[in-house]
Amino acid sequence: DGGITQSPKYLFRKEGQNVTLSCEQNLNHDAMYWYRQDPGQGLRLIYYSQIVNDFQKGDIAEGYSVSREKKESFPLTVTSAQKNPTAFYLCASSIYRENSPLHFGNGTRLTVT
Amino acid sequence: GQQVMQIPQYQHVQEGEDFTTYCNSSTTLSNIQWYKQRPGGHPVFLIQLVKSGEVKKQKRLTFQFGEAKKNSSLHITATQTTDVGTYFCAVTGNQFYFGTGTSLTVIP
Repeated sequence: DGGITQSPKYLFRKEGQNVTLSCEQNLNHDAMYWYRQDPGQGLRLIYYSQIVNDFQKGDIAEGYSVSREKKESFPLTVTSAQKNPTAFYLCASSIYRENSPLHFGNGTRLTVT
Repeated sequence: GQQVMQIPQYQHVQEGEDFTTYCNSSTTLSNIQWYKQRPGGHPVFLIQLVKSGEVKKQKRLTFQFGEAKKNSSLHITATQTTDVGTYFCAVTGNQFYFGTGTSLTVIP
């Protein structure tokens, strides 16, 4: 079955540590996205990538970094510079065509203490 | 980024009552999408509206796109407990901008 896999589902880290969240898709989608969701809030875009080896910042990119070395993979690193990293992180993908809907992974809940 | 206001933020209804959530933009939209996120889950695409004044139905759900393409609504008739979740509108382009969502609670 095609889909998007995010791992792990729950992640715990100490403050000051970088952490990388995995996102893999086998839908053959060109575009991939990372969103952050805080309790009672909507989805805020962190980074997105429309093709391999290229990505753009979203509205809240500070303290995050990404790479897109393969079409299937779009890992997100939450760096120690991110002031409030505890959140629910969602990865999504879509066909690179205007208006194509997003397909989401199950998300990773990151807790930093 | 694009600003999309969604109201209400929360809605509690008795099972069987109707429910409506609204999305409003200050600019004309090329299209709008709607997603549903069950508690503890991830957003799932429901529908896309493109044309001015468009109305689409999915069983008990009715989606509308305003004539000026600046607002949209999702109406659920006779809610059921399976309708519980947060409903988001999203405006698309190179990026996707999501509304803040409406969290629906259905009281049995």
